[in-house]
Amino acid sequence: GAVVSQHPSWVICKSGTSVKIECRSLDFQATTMFWYRQFPKQSLMLMATSNEGSKATYEQGVEKDKFLINHASLTLSTLTVTSAHPEDSSFYICSARGRSNQPQHFGDGTRLSIL
Amino acid sequence: GENVEQHPSTLSVQEGDSAVIKCTYSDSASNYFPWYKQELGKRPQLIIDIRSNVGEKKDQRIAVTLNKTAKHFSLHITETQPEDSAVYFCAARGFQKLVFGTGTRLLVSP
Repeated sequence: GAVVSQHPSWVICKSGTSVKIECRSLDFQATTMFWYRQFPKQSLMLMATSNEGSKATYEQGVEKDKFLINHASLTLSTLTVTSAHPEDSSFYICSARGRSNQPQHFGDGTRLSIL
Repeated sequence: GENVEQHPSTLSVQEGDSAVIKCTYSDSASNYFPWYKQELGKRPQLIIDIRSNVGEKKDQRIAVTLNKTAKHFSLHITETQPEDSAVYFCAARGFQKLVFGTGTRLLVSP
């Protein structure tokens, strides 16, 4: 089946640092990748959608300058949380999809804790 | 945009009972409705999905029904087992985005 690998799985860092999270589709070409944020006991909230080779489309209320998304190849997308602060602490999950009529497959998520 | 509502937020059943989770969506253009199971701290796992040209789909103990007219879809789990305990999310997808429901915490007691 389709496998999406996400790294790192857990990050603890100081306030003000930048954190990069990688999302890779291992056995299929991901035309579209999605980045979600999930706070404890809440649903998955879409942050942005990225198509390979194009700029990401951000959801309302998500700061594009704070959450930098790069989708330079059909198998890799990265999310960089710049100048992270404690309120950015959350569970970040990526998802990838091949063609538009195919299911989305999720990575294992990254638990980000900003001290 | 699409809005997905999910009920109940928590559901407790005894092992062997059936569990039903219901969702409604707002965008009539949505045509794909997956259900995900998420265990604590783990990724959402696709357990079943249904497309808008189908009214019902079954996979062993799990079934999903879709009523396009009413914009309702439901997840049915029969003969529940303790390992079914998790948070279940419904979702709806129209053009590109998958919008999730608020989740149902299912607890199956032995």
